[in-house]
Order: sequence, then C-alpha cells, then structure tokens
Amino acid sequence: GAVVSQHPSWVICKSGTSVKIECRSLDFQATTMFWYRQFPKQSLMLMATSNEGSKATYEQGVEKDKFLINHASLTLSTLTVTSAHPEDSSFYICSARTVLYNEQFFGPGTRLTVL
Amino acid sequence: RKEVEQDPGPFNVPEGATVAFNCTYSNSASQSFFWYRQDCRKEPKLLMSVYSSGNEDGRFTAQLNRASQYISLLIRDSKLSDSATYLCVVNSQNNDMRFGAGTRLTVKP
Repeated sequence: GAVVSQHPSWVICKSGTSVKIECRSLDFQATTMFWYRQFPKQSLMLMATSNEGSKATYEQGVEKDKFLINHASLTLSTLTVTSAHPEDSSFYICSARTVLYNEQFFGPGTRLTVL
Repeated sequence: RKEVEQDPGPFNVPEGATVAFNCTYSNSASQSFFWYRQDCRKEPKLLMSVYSSGNEDGRFTAQLNRASQYISLLIRDSKLSDSATYLCVVNSQNNDMRFGAGTRLTVKP
C-alpha cells in the first residue's frame, strides 16, 4: 500500500514553544490530507482537513490559530502546534487520501509531550 | 449522540474463540464503512472494508445493516496476534472518516 511518513515520531517540549509536525506521502500524490489527535484510550478525533493549495477546514472546537496547517504540495502537509501547553500532549496522526482511491493511508503518528 | 459508537470492551478471549464486535452509526447518509485495527501506540491500519452484501477475508467477516445503521465484525479462530483495538470507521457526508472509540480485544493462550 501507499506509504505516509511523519516527522518527528516523538517530541518533548517546554510549555509555550511551537512544534511543527510534517506529514509526507512518499510514493503517491495526496490531494487531501487529514490531521487527527488521539488521547489515551480514546478514539481518533479529526482536527482538520487540508487540500493542497487551499486553506484547511477545521473541525468544530479546533482553534485554527493554535493549530496551523499548511499543505503546500501534493506530498507534504505540516501541522504547527503554536504555544503548546501540557493539555496539547497527545498522539497526532496524519493521513493522506489518493486521487484514485477512497482509502486513507495513515502516518505512523507523532507523540507530543508538553512539559 | 456520537457519530460512531462501539462497545469499548475489553474483550478477553482464549485462543481459538470466536468473537464479534458491533458498531452503530448515526448518519444515515454515510456511504463507506471500514474496520481498522490499531495496535498500542501505532497508527490505525485498514483491516477490511464493509459492503452491504457482507464480506469475508479469511477468519474475518464484516456485515453491514443499513436499515439499522449497524456494522459488525466477526473473528473466528482468534489468534494471539489478533490482540489489538478494532476501530469502526464511517465515511461522513463530507467524505471524511469518523472513527468509533474502538473495541479492545485481548486473545489469551
């Protein structure tokens, strides 16, 4: 299947700093990428949907100024958690959908810990 | 009401047992349905799509009942390696996937 990578796989930062997470589709072009967040023992919650070259669509309750999403190319989307706080500590997972198939391919996730 | 609801479990079964998971969804306009498997601290991976006619893949059988807005997954002859969290996933009207909270399965020797 298609491969999606995320970087970094884990990050620990101090409260107030910003963290950038990259999501790349390695062997296919993804017109749409999705960003999810998963707290322990909970389901994946969709944060936002990003289409290449346009602004991301955020889910209700997700602050667009805090979670900046850029989808500059068909193979790269970035999520920046600005002024991170301990409550932002979570598992962030991206996924990418191909033009041809309805299936989403998930990245391995990024575990963020904010001290 | 949550868009996708699942019994969180946990289900603890012996090797070789048959186990069934259920899932209900609220959006009657949903078009696509999936079961994903998620291992601890890993990303979800597609297990199988779910079709109206029901479908089988080896030891796994998925069923969809559109009238009741209900999806099921049956695992026969369970293996130790089947231990994971099983996520019911439904495509929303915007073609975005909505995940259930997952059902945790532990298969014991």
